[in-house]
Amino acid sequence: EAQVTQNPRYLITVTGKKLTVTCSQNMNHEYMSWYRQDPGLGLRQIYYSMNVEVTDKGDVPEGYKVSRKEKRNFPLILESPSPNQTSLYFCASSPSAGTETYEQYFGPGTRLTVT
Amino acid sequence: SQQGEEDPQALSIQEGENATMNCSYKTSINNLQWYRQNSGRGLVHLILIRSNEREKHSGRLRVTLDTSKKSSSLLITASRAADTASYFCATAPMRQGAQKLVFGQGTRLTINP
Repeated sequence: EAQVTQNPRYLITVTGKKLTVTCSQNMNHEYMSWYRQDPGLGLRQIYYSMNVEVTDKGDVPEGYKVSRKEKRNFPLILESPSPNQTSLYFCASSPSAGTETYEQYFGPGTRLTVT
Repeated sequence: SQQGEEDPQALSIQEGENATMNCSYKTSINNLQWYRQNSGRGLVHLILIRSNEREKHSGRLRVTLDTSKKSSSLLITASRAADTASYFCATAPMRQGAQKLVFGQGTRLTINP
């Protein structure tokens, strides 16, 4: 089944404890992206990747890191989480990183709470 | 940056009625997309309409796009309880080589049985 998977789905952690949220897609998509969703603010893009080893900042990249060593994986790293990073996180992928924008396929989400 | 603005923020109708949601945006776009999100879950792509298209249909969904007014509407006909969800418009800004989507804050649709 074509899908985007995220792990973990739920995470409660403490301020400053490094964590990684994994994202994997099995559709051979070039483009991958991370979003956070907060009440009243909608979805905001954190980082995106046009292809392996190519990543760039989205609208709210502060406090986050990403890497794209393989086409299928795009982990989100919080080196020193803070309470303002408590949010619902989504990974998404898209077939092409070309000039035409395609639909995006979303993972099920990771609900992160930082205390 | 928030480009798409949905209206209304919340909509409650009876099963069987039609639901219309609107989206306005600010800059030129390559295409506009609509997504559905069931509570707390991932977004699901519904329909994509390109900037040179005016109307598109998919099953019970009808999307219109007016680039002169920078607005779009999503019509769901003969609504069902399973249509209860949040609906988001997402615009693809006209930028070379970008896959960026800018999402609005969504319309929360409730279908009452």
